[in-house]
Amino acid sequence: EVQLVESGGGLIQPGRSLRLSCAASGFTFDNYAMHWVRQAPGKGLEWVSGISWNSGSIGYAGSVMGRFTISRDNAKNSLNLQMNSLRPDDTALYYCAKGAVGDFWASYRHEFDFWGQGALVTVSS
Amino acid sequence: QSALTQPASVSGSPGQSITISCTGTSSDVGAYNLVSWYQQHPGKAPKVMIYEGSQRPSGVSNRFSGSKSGNTASLTISGLQAEDEADYYCCSYAGSSVYVFGTGTKVTVI
Repeated sequence: EVQLVESGGGLIQPGRSLRLSCAASGFTFDNYAMHWVRQAPGKGLEWVSGISWNSGSIGYAGSVMGRFTISRDNAKNSLNLQMNSLRPDDTALYYCAKGAVGDFWASYRHEFDFWGQGALVTVSS
Repeated sequence: QSALTQPASVSGSPGQSITISCTGTSSDVGAYNLVSWYQQHPGKAPKVMIYEGSQRPSGVSNRFSGSKSGNTASLTISGLQAEDEADYYCCSYAGSSVYVFGTGTKVTVI
């Protein structure tokens, strides 16, 4: 059974940093791309960042480019999101999601097929 | 990247069919056959309902179908049921390792 468990959320002041982690199990982690998707309270889904199976391809949404850094440790089956210079509009539930393929160059199966339950990040003074 | 455009809400009676549109640009929806659709019930994580524009994952009801024409993708739910009441989001690959979600549509079964 695929399981994705996020951790590291919490209340943080504007301008500070926070690191989210996602522990993966139930599948061969280093075969698949991984993503972070967020949802502000009462709002829609926003793709934040994605990383290919070997960290060779990485993408970011324009709203977090230069502030957030995605990484993965295939030996530990973990995905991370380092969030710097946090702003109140970064307040959201952050989901870890598994990609259906390993790399973004694939011409098929780009969906997010499994999701965690999310980690809540609240940016407020 | 701007969010893909979806209607804020769509409603239908049990047994009817409804269609949700998802309009993007020639750089995302129109450029790739890589639109996926997600169902999200309140307080739950999203669930993929359609991938590659029209393919259903194993276990998803055949009442859900997808299509695409130009820069607009569509999700049709036929034989609407009470359990289909949820929020629905489209998502497209936009090139350069970037993805974009739609604005979301609330489906109400009246």
